[in-house]
Amino acid sequence: DGGITQSPKYLFRKEGQNVTLSCEQNLNHDAMYWYRQDPGQGLRLIYYSQIVNDFQKGDIAEGYSVSREKKESFPLTVTSAQKNPTAFYLCATNEQFFGPGTRLTVL
Amino acid sequence: AQKVTQAQTEISVVEKEDVTLDCVYETRDTTYYLFWYKQPPSGELVFLIRRNSFDEQNEISGRYSWNFQKSTSSFNFTITASQVVDSAVYFCALSEAPDDKIIFGKGTRLHILP
Repeated sequence: DGGITQSPKYLFRKEGQNVTLSCEQNLNHDAMYWYRQDPGQGLRLIYYSQIVNDFQKGDIAEGYSVSREKKESFPLTVTSAQKNPTAFYLCATNEQFFGPGTRLTVL
Repeated sequence: AQKVTQAQTEISVVEKEDVTLDCVYETRDTTYYLFWYKQPPSGELVFLIRRNSFDEQNEISGRYSWNFQKSTSSFNFTITASQVVDSAVYFCALSEAPDDKIIFGKGTRLHILP
């Protein structure tokens, strides 16, 4: 089945550690997006990539980094510079297709 | 600047009642796209509808209907004969081009009481 996978579903990290969230798609879509969702808030765009080896910052890119070496994969690294990383992270390939999300908790 | 406002933070209705979720948007573009999503407690985002700015026809899909009014910059969503399974957070969103970034409202949490 075509879709988007995000792993793991729940992730716990200690403060000050970098952590990488996985996003893989087999839809053959060119574009991929990372969104962050905080409680009671809508989704906010972190980074997006419209083609392999190219990506752009979204509205809240500070403290995050991404790579797009393959069409299928768009991993997001939450660095120690991100002041409040605990949130729900969603990956998407367009407006219709979203992954199941990763809930990151930094202790 | 783009903005989406969902003024209703939380709504509770009894099952079988009709309920309307409001959405007001702001954009300077004449071409844009509007969306509604459902987020059940499991967290995944479920796409419900996309409407482009040139199509003001109302849309109906089963118990769901959408009312798009450019004159008031609104794109409201109505659930008819609500069911407990409709309980979720609903997001309205806007983008200015296909495959462009999407601006989300803060969502409306809908509780359908049995």
